[in-house]
Amino acid sequence: AQRVTQPEKLLSVFKGAPVELKCNYSYSGSPELFWYVQYSRQRLQLLLRHISRESIKGFTADLNKGETSFHLKKPFAQEEDSAMYYCALSGGSGNTGKLIFGQGTTLQVKP
Amino acid sequence: KAGVTQTPRYLIKTRGQQVTLSCSPISGHRSVSWYQQTPGQGLQFLFEYFSETQRNKGNFPGRFSGRQFSNSRSEMNVSTLELGDSALYLCASSFPGQGRRFGNTEAFFGQGTRLTVV
Repeated sequence: AQRVTQPEKLLSVFKGAPVELKCNYSYSGSPELFWYVQYSRQRLQLLLRHISRESIKGFTADLNKGETSFHLKKPFAQEEDSAMYYCALSGGSGNTGKLIFGQGTTLQVKP
Repeated sequence: KAGVTQTPRYLIKTRGQQVTLSCSPISGHRSVSWYQQTPGQGLQFLFEYFSETQRNKGNFPGRFSGRQFSNSRSEMNVSTLELGDSALYLCASSFPGQGRRFGNTEAFFGQGTRLTVV
């Protein structure tokens, strides 16, 4: 079964502290993994995707196929990073609009 | 470029009624997907339409249906509404990639339609 698990509902850190939002997935194949973010009163938007291997707003995420994980990391959290973060999986067959989301983690960055 | 537009933004319906939600994708996007978001279940995939054809379907009852028009606009219909259908319904559009090498392109989400069933 295809599944995405985000074990933490809420992650609270102080400004400047490192952040790691956990994501584990279950998929029998080669999935594509994404992180989506929803800031307060804004629509859901793509933060980054594993296929791009890029850093966005200081965030990075590495796909670990052995551990079936795609954790999101940032070395120094900023207050503007406070938001809801969703890890998502796509079937990986290409050209499909089906995303399977985790339950989401609320990141709270305290001053 | 205008973003994904969903109408209406808010709806209140009575149990047993039916409802139609609308989604206008970004110009040039041919894939439109629908999601249901609730506090308990999170974001769940309903279905995807591409070139007027349903390409993927989630695990929702037949009361949930959709369609896509030739201009890529999509509608979602829920018949015989139940209290549990109260949710935020999100639509996302994307421009399909050019094959596996490029992967799936970014999905752009609308602001959603908040449906309340009373």
